[in-house]
Amino acid sequence: DGGITQSPKYLFRKEGQNVTLSCEQNLNHDAMYWYRQDPGQGLRLIYYSQIVNDFQKGDIAEGYSVSREKKESFPLTVTSAQKNPTAFYLCASSLRRTDYEQYFGPGTRLTVT
Amino acid sequence: AQSVSQHNHHVILSEAASLELGCNYSYGGTVNLFWYVQYPGQHLQLLLKYFSGDPLVKGIKGFEAEFIKSKFSFNLRKPSVQWSDTAEYFCAVTVFGSGNTGKLIFGQGTTLQVKP
Repeated sequence: DGGITQSPKYLFRKEGQNVTLSCEQNLNHDAMYWYRQDPGQGLRLIYYSQIVNDFQKGDIAEGYSVSREKKESFPLTVTSAQKNPTAFYLCASSLRRTDYEQYFGPGTRLTVT
Repeated sequence: AQSVSQHNHHVILSEAASLELGCNYSYGGTVNLFWYVQYPGQHLQLLLKYFSGDPLVKGIKGFEAEFIKSKFSFNLRKPSVQWSDTAEYFCAVTVFGSGNTGKLIFGQGTTLQVKP
């Protein structure tokens, strides 16, 4: 089955710790995205990557970092600098940089206490 | 900055009632328009999209949306809702132009609750 996998589904961390969220896709898509979903705010773009070894900041990149060493993988690190990291994180991909129909993973709910 | 506004944050309907969810965007250039749906416990999935052509687009599960360029709107409709339509609905827009990469801009979402 083709799709996007995110792991784990639920993640708990103590304040001050960095945490990495996994996102893998086997759709052979060039572009990948990370969004943060908060109640009443919709989805906000954190980072995106249009091709391997390249990525750009989205609207709320502060306190986050990413890498894109392989086409199928786009991990997101939530650093201790992120002031309000508790949220639902969604990964998405699209076939090409100019193909704006995005496919979403199941999400990871991160709770930081 | 471009933005997407969904007017209804929480809608409660009885089964068989008609649905219309409002979506407006603020951008005067070329856009692609989407409605996504997130059923409880499931992935966010595409309901329908508009890229060009007929402004009335049909999606899955009996949903449709109409693009009205003059009103910067892309409202979602369904003539008769079912209990299984209970979900959160997101309108999204990509814009094109100098300096834009066509990223998706989402509205705040509308929670639809359908009572059996």
